[in-house]
Amino acid sequence: KAGVTQTPRYLIKTRGQQVTLSCSPISGHRSVSWYQQTPGQGLQFLFEYFSETQRNKGNFPGRFSGRQFSNSRSEMNVSTLELGDSALYLCASSVQAGRTDTQYFGPGTRLTVL
Amino acid sequence: DQQVKQNSPSLSVQEGRISILNCDYTNSMFDYFLWYKKYPAEGPTFLISISSIKDKNEDGRFTVFLNKSAKHLSLHIVPSQPGDSAVYFCAASASGNNRLAFGKGNQVVVIP
Repeated sequence: KAGVTQTPRYLIKTRGQQVTLSCSPISGHRSVSWYQQTPGQGLQFLFEYFSETQRNKGNFPGRFSGRQFSNSRSEMNVSTLELGDSALYLCASSVQAGRTDTQYFGPGTRLTVL
Repeated sequence: DQQVKQNSPSLSVQEGRISILNCDYTNSMFDYFLWYKKYPAEGPTFLISISSIKDKNEDGRFTVFLNKSAKHLSLHIVPSQPGDSAVYFCAASASGNNRLAFGKGNQVVVIP
C-alpha cells in the first residue's frame, strides 16, 4: 500500500506571497492532519480534517487554512507569508477520527520564505 | 506550554547495547502514546505505541513502558543497530482526538 504523499517536496516563496501544499493520504485513510516543524518550536499541530470537515485546529493564525476533498486528499494554504513560516510542513493520515489512532506521516514539504 | 518533554537531547550508544529514551508528559488527559523515528529530510516513521490501559508494549527490538502515576514513558531499543541512528520523538494524544503533542526529540547515535 502506498504511503502518504506530499507535493511539492520543496518550495521557495517570498514574503507576502501565498502557498498551497497538497497531501494524499494512505488509501482507505479518511483523517488527515497537518503539522509544522521548526527548529525552535518543534512539531506543532495545525489542523485535522475528516469527511471534508475540520475537526481540530491548533494555535495558528488565520493565515493558515486547509480543506479536504471527497477523496480524502487535503490541501493547506498559507497566505501573506512571513519569514517565520519557513518550516517543514508534514501531513499525516489515519484510518478515522473520533478515536485515538496511529497517524502515518508523509515526507513533508520544505517551505522557505525569503 | 510543552506538554510532552524529552530531556537529554542526544544519546550515544555502542552497537549491540541498549538505548533508553525517556519522555514525560503533563496533561493527565493523554491516554495514547507513540514513538516516531525521523531521519533528516524525511517524515517521522511510526515505531510503536501504547494505550493507557497497558504498562508495556513490545514489538521486536522496541519496548515501550508507561508509568501513568509518574506521567512517564520510556522506549527501550535492544540491541541497538547503526541503522537506529536518528531522531526519536515521543508523542501523545487524548481519547477521541488525533491531535498529537510532540516532544522536542532525542538524537540517537549508534556507534559501530
